[in-house]
Amino acid sequence: EVQLVESGGGLVQPGGSLRLSCAASGFTFSSYWMTWVRQAPGKGLEWVANINQDGSEKYYVDSVKGRFTISRDNAKNSVYLQMNSLRVEDTAVYYCARVRGGRSPYDDAFNIWGQGTMVTVSS
Amino acid sequence: SYVLTQPPSVSVAPGQTARIPCGGNNIGRKTVHWYQQKPGQAPALVVYDDSDRPSGIPERFSGSNSGNTATLTISSVEAGDEADYYCQLWDSSNDHWVFGGGTKLSVL
Repeated sequence: EVQLVESGGGLVQPGGSLRLSCAASGFTFSSYWMTWVRQAPGKGLEWVANINQDGSEKYYVDSVKGRFTISRDNAKNSVYLQMNSLRVEDTAVYYCARVRGGRSPYDDAFNIWGQGTMVTVSS
Repeated sequence: SYVLTQPPSVSVAPGQTARIPCGGNNIGRKTVHWYQQKPGQAPALVVYDDSDRPSGIPERFSGSNSGNTATLTISSVEAGDEADYYCQLWDSSNDHWVFGGGTKLSVL
């Protein structure tokens, strides 16, 4: 079964750090781009970061550039999101998702999603 | 940055057709995807590449994209289709992936 399972969420104070993990199974992880998408409570979806198959290409939404780092370990079938200098506005459910793997990774869809992990930034 | 505009809500009676628009500047020149999110669940892809359906998605779900509007169409709407729907695309001008604000579909 194709599956993504996120972990690492929790409560953290403003200015703190957190590392999210996403474990993949059921597919050849190293062949796919991966992405992180977040959803603040009661709000819509917001793309956060993408990473290509070998980690040589990474993209970030402007609001997290310089604070968040996406990475992956293909030997462990996992993708990570290191979040530093956290702000109250980073409070959200964070989903990892797989890019579908069509003709182009850039304008392709996110076709497999994890169940999400909640990050709460509050004092 | 590229902006995708969706109406906050759409209502339709069971058995009727729901059309959910997603507006953007020359969006017809871009590739649009659609996601369904039910309460308490992760999003799920329902249409990709403007009009293709992933396996397991009913034929009742279809998509189109032209000019300044992409549209998700759900025919013969069922109570189980109640959900939030999001359009999404890649903005090549700044290598950002963009979601619309989402539309809540209510089945009356």
